[in-house]
Amino acid sequence: EAGVAQSPRYKIIEKRQSVAFWCNPISGHATLYWYQQILGQGPKLLIQFQNNGVVDDSQLPKDRFSAERLKGVDSTLKIQPAKLEDSAVYLCASLGGVPSETQYFGPGTRLLVL
Amino acid sequence: DQQVKQNSPSLSVQEGRISILNCDYTNSMFDYFLWYKKYPAEGPTFLISISSIKDKNEDGRFTVFLNKSAKHLSLHIVPSQPGDSAVYFCAANTGNQFYFGTGTSLTVIP
Repeated sequence: EAGVAQSPRYKIIEKRQSVAFWCNPISGHATLYWYQQILGQGPKLLIQFQNNGVVDDSQLPKDRFSAERLKGVDSTLKIQPAKLEDSAVYLCASLGGVPSETQYFGPGTRLLVL
Repeated sequence: DQQVKQNSPSLSVQEGRISILNCDYTNSMFDYFLWYKKYPAEGPTFLISISSIKDKNEDGRFTVFLNKSAKHLSLHIVPSQPGDSAVYFCAANTGNQFYFGTGTSLTVIP
């Protein structure tokens, strides 16, 4: 079974530029999460999708962050414009459709904003 | 509001000894508690979980203990091996929502 795929693995941009991350979850997984992990902290939920609908985006800075999962499969997360404090690892995770207690994470995208 | 807390940012243990990682939580409605292991430049990987209706779950060298009255759980690794050196995250879920602690960096000294 293929795992959660993310790209790119690394990205360096200057502040005020835009950037996009892509995630392909495990096949058949209906629930998809985007997390932001700042160095020394635990993953912080940005947005949760159930199929192509948003379940929770309460901690997503909507003035600069956006995410979509149009066909209920892969997802993109965009930052526009980026700020220095957006430097972090962006993790994508998915959860199966049956009741399950665990998520499966991708390798993450490490973003550095200069 | 940090619902899951790991108060020890780091831990060093000699190879062969027991490693004990601790976690506290505030929400009594959590259904499951989980431990994830994270190596540098990789995403977290699931290690072991425990249902809120149990007080112990064991998988090989890894055992998780849950004390609901104290809202506390711990991960025991015995014997510890150098390959166990990683950051360990405690997490809890209710429904499909997950809450993570800040992690404990474990170093197992050969």
